[in-house]
Amino acid sequence: VIWMTQSPSLLSASTGDRVTISCRMSQGISSYLAWYQQKPGKAPELLIYAASTLQSGVPSRFSGSGSGTDFTLTISCLQSEDFATYYCQQYYSFPSFGQGTKLEIK
Amino acid sequence: EVQLVESGGGLVQPGRSLRLSCAASGFTFDDYAMHWVRQAPGKGLEWVSGISWNSGSIGYADSVKGRFTISRDNAKNSLYLQMNSLRAEDTALYYCAKSPSYDILTDLDYWGQGTLVTVSS
Repeated sequence: VIWMTQSPSLLSASTGDRVTISCRMSQGISSYLAWYQQKPGKAPELLIYAASTLQSGVPSRFSGSGSGTDFTLTISCLQSEDFATYYCQQYYSFPSFGQGTKLEIK
Repeated sequence: EVQLVESGGGLVQPGRSLRLSCAASGFTFDDYAMHWVRQAPGKGLEWVSGISWNSGSIGYADSVKGRFTISRDNAKNSLYLQMNSLRAEDTALYYCAKSPSYDILTDLDYWGQGTLVTVSS
C-alpha cells in the first residue's frame, strides 16, 4: 500500500497570489502522479498527469513538478475560478487519492 | 464529446445489493480502461475499482474487495458495478471515470456526474 500525504488540508489565499500544494508518497512512484480540481457539486477535472504534463485546455498558470516521493502543484496568479478543492492521485499501483486541499478565499 | 452517465443509485438497506451502470459515448469504449470512484458526503475521493479494456486486468480497493464486482459490456458501451453486502460506510456519490489508455494504472481523464448510493435502514 502506498500512503499519500497531501498538505495543507486548507489553504487561504487571495486573487493574484501564487500557491503551492504538496503531495508526499510513502515510496517512490516515479512520475505516476496526477492532479485534479473539484468544485462544489461537480465532478473532479484532470489538471495534470505524469506529474508535470498539463491536460489539454488547462490554463498555463497551473504547473506540476516532482518525481519519486515528493510532488507539488503550483498555481501562479490565482483567479477567482481557482478556488476549489484539489486532489493528487498516484497510479504507480492501484490508484489512490490524497486527502484533498481546499483552497479558499482569504 | 465524451459522455459518461451513471445510473442505478438509490436508497438501500444494509446487507442488500445494488447494481450501478455507466453508459459511455463519444469515444471508442473498448479501447480504454474504466473505473469507479466514490465520494462520501463531505469527504474526499476514494478509488473503488478499475477494469482494463478487455476485462483482463481488474482491481479493487481493500474496502470493497469480496463485496463489489466490476464488469463491462463493450458491445453496449457500458460499465457496471455490482455491490453486495452493502454497509452504511458505502454511502457515497459514485463516479464512473475513464482512463486515457487500455490499462487501469493511469490517471482519469473524464468523469461522469455521479449517482448517489445511500445505505440506511
